[in-house]
Amino acid sequence: GAVVSQHPSRVICKSGTSVKIECRSLDFQATTMFWYRQFPKQSLMLMATSNEGSKATYEQGVEKDKFLINHASLTLSTLTVTSAHPEDSSFYICSARRTGTNTEAFFGQGTRLTVV
Amino acid sequence: DQQVKQNSPSLSVQEGRISILNCDYTNSMFDYFLWYKKYPAEGPTFLISISSIKDKNEDGRFTVFLNKSAKHLSLHIVPSQPGDSAVYFCAASDSGAGSYQLTFGKGTKLSVIP
Repeated sequence: GAVVSQHPSRVICKSGTSVKIECRSLDFQATTMFWYRQFPKQSLMLMATSNEGSKATYEQGVEKDKFLINHASLTLSTLTVTSAHPEDSSFYICSARRTGTNTEAFFGQGTRLTVV
Repeated sequence: DQQVKQNSPSLSVQEGRISILNCDYTNSMFDYFLWYKKYPAEGPTFLISISSIKDKNEDGRFTVFLNKSAKHLSLHIVPSQPGDSAVYFCAASDSGAGSYQLTFGKGTKLSVIP
């Protein structure tokens, strides 16, 4: 099956610093990628839709200046958590679907972010 | 307003028996449904999907049933194995929306007891 690679899998950073998370589709092109956040014992909550070559679409309540998304190519999207605070500690997951299809979405391994 | 609901947060099943996980949705525009399996600290893994033009899809031990009139779908796992223990998420999308976003339920934690 298609593979989505997410890096890093785990990161600890100091409060006030920024952290970048990468999401790559390894064997297919993904015009659109999605970024999710999961709190303990809760569902995956969509944060934003990342569109190649254009601005990301953010869900209500998600601060676009805090969670910067860049989708510069058909195989790479990045999420940067700026000026991280302890409340940003969470599990972040990206997903991608093959361009032009409504089939299954493939997920990255997820990134556990801990802000201390 | 939760558009995809998994009302059972957990389920315990004996090894070898059938596991039935349920999912309800409210958005009548959803036309594609998926089930994902997730282990802690990992991304979800796709299991099986079903289009709204079908009412059943089978893949090995996994079968998904869709009842459009009731806006209900279920995932059957038979026989259940200890390795099936994980959190299962139901997801839905509206292909007409163009964005291919997935809306997830809250998940059901399945425990298969040896």
